[in-house]
Amino acid sequence: NAGVTQTPKFQVLKTGQSMTLQCAQDMNHEYMSWYRQDPGMGLRLIHYSVGAGITDQGEVPNGYNVSRSTTEDFPLRLLSAAPSQTSVYFCASSQTVLREQYFGPGTRLTVT
Amino acid sequence: GENVEQHPSTLSVQEGDSAVIKCTYSDSASNYFPWYKQELGKRPQLIIDIRSNVGEKKDQRIAVTLNKTAKHFSLHITETQPEDSAVYFCAAEYSGGGADGLTFGKGTHLIIQP
Repeated sequence: NAGVTQTPKFQVLKTGQSMTLQCAQDMNHEYMSWYRQDPGMGLRLIHYSVGAGITDQGEVPNGYNVSRSTTEDFPLRLLSAAPSQTSVYFCASSQTVLREQYFGPGTRLTVT
Repeated sequence: GENVEQHPSTLSVQEGDSAVIKCTYSDSASNYFPWYKQELGKRPQLIIDIRSNVGEKKDQRIAVTLNKTAKHFSLHITETQPEDSAVYFCAAEYSGGGADGLTFGKGTHLIIQP
């Protein structure tokens, strides 16, 4: 099992550009989520999904979109990148939110 | 929504001593409280969790206690070792208004002094 994978590992964007962060899991987990991690701020929930076809907003959803067309994949789209979106992004999956979250390796995004 | 406060932000202890990290939460409906460890440059990993029907849980040198009345929970690490150096995050489950996720504290940087 590969677990949770994320691509790319690093990305630099210019303000206003759009991009998609990819996340995939091979554990047949129903629950998937995206967090951003900023220094001194902990992990903040952006969006989550409790199953294919179902997504919902977390704590900091503005500027991000998600979709869940399959159980395995949960991409995160930045619509128009801003410097405030410079962060490390983690995808996670689990059987439910009340079980161990398995995190991906993270994507370090810089917006200039 | 849920608000989780974590203290201290940095904790330095001598190798072999105990370390205690404390968290408080705001939503009395929360029932699940995990702790994650993140080593430098790595992803967070679950080290222990506790549910609201239990007051204490132990796993070797690590224990977590929960006081639902006071809405606080703590992580205890005994006989600390160099490999315990990391950032530790507490979290609480929240559910309400269609939201269903974890709220994390801001983290405690634990430093084990040789």
